[in-house]
Amino acid sequence: ELKVEQNPLFLSMQEGKNYTIYCNYSTTSDRLYWYRQDPGKSLESLFVLLSNGAVKQEGRLMASLDTKARLSTLHITAAVHDLSATYFCAVDMVRGAQKLVFGQGTRLTINP
Amino acid sequence: GAGVSQSPRYKVAKRGQDVALRCDPISGHVSLFWYQQALGQGPEFLTYFQNEAQLDKSGLPSDRFFAERPEGSVSTLKIQRTQQEDSAVYLCASSDRVLRRPDTQYFGPGTRLTVL
Repeated sequence: ELKVEQNPLFLSMQEGKNYTIYCNYSTTSDRLYWYRQDPGKSLESLFVLLSNGAVKQEGRLMASLDTKARLSTLHITAAVHDLSATYFCAVDMVRGAQKLVFGQGTRLTINP
Repeated sequence: GAGVSQSPRYKVAKRGQDVALRCDPISGHVSLFWYQQALGQGPEFLTYFQNEAQLDKSGLPSDRFFAERPEGSVSTLKIQRTQQEDSAVYLCASSDRVLRRPDTQYFGPGTRLTVL
């Protein structure tokens, strides 16, 4: 059974600081997604990482994928308040059903 | 363009009632997914359609849950004899790739179901 674990689950940080969210998954996959969810809202797609070594950046967010370590990271640079949200990673099954398995989410709060 | 829409946005049901939740995917999207998101948790897969065919329903928690997509566009998730543990947000997502492994899934706003 594929399991996806994120850490930390809660993160409170100050504006201007850097931090990293980690996403580990338990079985082979070469496709990983990062989503953002604001309170009471749906999920917004941030990144799709398709292969080992993939790195994508958008603004202050950068995501990377290491399929050998079964690890993805979401790095936040010089955080701003607008980035406060819950961030989910999700992994696509390599074989079988077309479905995403999500991590528990990391609730990020950025304080002025 | 229009995104994924869902209705109703909120539904309160008495235990034992049947409910029907609707999803309108992005026009032309072949793949449609339903997820259940409990409070404070990540979404959990329920079922997947490619056009009108339900290819995977392994995540449906019981036979009280039923989903259909008869014409390959709009989908309905029906829950019979609702129980309190069914209270959650039900998310619909669609994607536009026909291949075995579709691309990014785009999520709707969800339907928050509360069972009293």
